Amino acid sequence: LAKTTQPISMDSYEGQEVNITCSHNNIATNDYITWYQQFPSQGPRFIIQGYKTKVTNEVASLFIPADRKSSTLSLPRVSLSDTAVYYCLVGDRNFNKFYFGSGTKLNVKP
Amino acid sequence: DTGVSQDPRHKITKRGQNVTFRCDPISEHNRLYWYRQTLGQGPEFLTYFQNEAQLEKSRLLSDRFSAERPKGSFSTLEIQRTEQGDSAMYLCASSYPRGESSYEQYFGPGTRLTVT
Repeated sequence: LAKTTQPISMDSYEGQEVNITCSHNNIATNDYITWYQQFPSQGPRFIIQGYKTKVTNEVASLFIPADRKSSTLSLPRVSLSDTAVYYCLVGDRNFNKFYFGSGTKLNVKP
Repeated sequence: DTGVSQDPRHKITKRGQNVTFRCDPISEHNRLYWYRQTLGQGPEFLTYFQNEAQLEKSRLLSDRFSAERPKGSFSTLEIQRTEQGDSAMYLCASSYPRGESSYEQYFGPGTRLTVT
């Protein structure tokens, strides 16, 4: 089961672009990379998922280099409401089980 | 679609007592997951069901823990002879396959267990 490593915390200001990088050196061929967001006292919420190159949706972009040993979640123009913990996890296509890790606590300042 | 619901939201129990939590997944979701989360840590996978079959169990799920999903709908997680170390948030999630994508999980609000 591929484990992930993320920075413990990051600070940013409103309106800035935030990039959170996750290391997953032991990622397997069939593994997908998924990012979740979690607010205090709530369950995690799916943000984005990818396998390779770049994926973009209405809230974020996910950049995955060719070797797939890391990935970067990009949040454009963050606001105070983006203050949360962000988890990177990897799992096979069937996602039979996950490893969430400790996540990155993002603090957005005014 | 009302999302994943969990009941109760909070539970305080004395050490040694049994507790049972319930999770109602999003209808038509065939997968249901249970996680445990302690303060400052990410969710730890406990077990998951595909329909009524329990397909995977973590080593974290000791003999005191049991989960069921009768008829492939709601699920229950029971902890017998609770210990103070069981104090945590218990999260439930459900999902369904989406073509080439993985099983995106939708999480419930969790049940916070405090063992005194």
